[in-house]
Amino acid sequence: EADIYQTPRYLVIGTGKKITLECSQTMGHDKMYWYQQDPGMELHLIHYSYGVNSTEKGDLSSESTVSRIRTEHFPLTLESARPSHTSQYLCASSEFEGPGYGYTFGSGTRLTVV
Amino acid sequence: DQQVKQNSPSLSVQEGRISILNCDYTNSMFDYFLWYKKYPAEGPTFLISISSIKDKNEDGRFTVFLNKSAKHLSLHIVPSQPGDSAVYFCAAEGGYQKVTFGTGTKLQVIP
Repeated sequence: EADIYQTPRYLVIGTGKKITLECSQTMGHDKMYWYQQDPGMELHLIHYSYGVNSTEKGDLSSESTVSRIRTEHFPLTLESARPSHTSQYLCASSEFEGPGYGYTFGSGTRLTVV
Repeated sequence: DQQVKQNSPSLSVQEGRISILNCDYTNSMFDYFLWYKKYPAEGPTFLISISSIKDKNEDGRFTVFLNKSAKHLSLHIVPSQPGDSAVYFCAAEGGYQKVTFGTGTKLQVIP
């Protein structure tokens, strides 16, 4: 059973709508990440957080924003959705301070903007 | 500029045989390399990693080999099982847990 939960799993929404993709984890991990993946492409880091009230932009420029008010919750918001935002969004968390231990990923949200 | 490359988008292997998935990288500053497995409609699952100071790491049926001079790593699965059919992502870590992913190789293990 997954310890990191993303909702909704699938979302079809009209252009211009505001949306929030939810991500919650029950493991108490400080580090959390949002990745964006288009079909057949690599995962791109769009946001990350190293703890409460800490958020940073990733390597891929994104019009989305994130917040980290509680350790377990790391929502991603798009103020005005556009067709170019159509993609899969993956949330992940990590327990360890050092490298090489890998992330725990959620099942993702597949977003379609029409 | 893609720093982690998986040049084979797909691979088919008979059950019981060896699966070899390849990955090339360009940034010599990467200090850890990881492999993830992804089933459809699920998030990636961490499989195995290797430090840049090692050339081999083994975990059960999975072995990762690193050739630093060639900037190449490979994942060997022996013996391959139908449940191994998935997309495998190579990833490289440099700096404070900044991870760069490849585009994935879809493995099909034929019973």
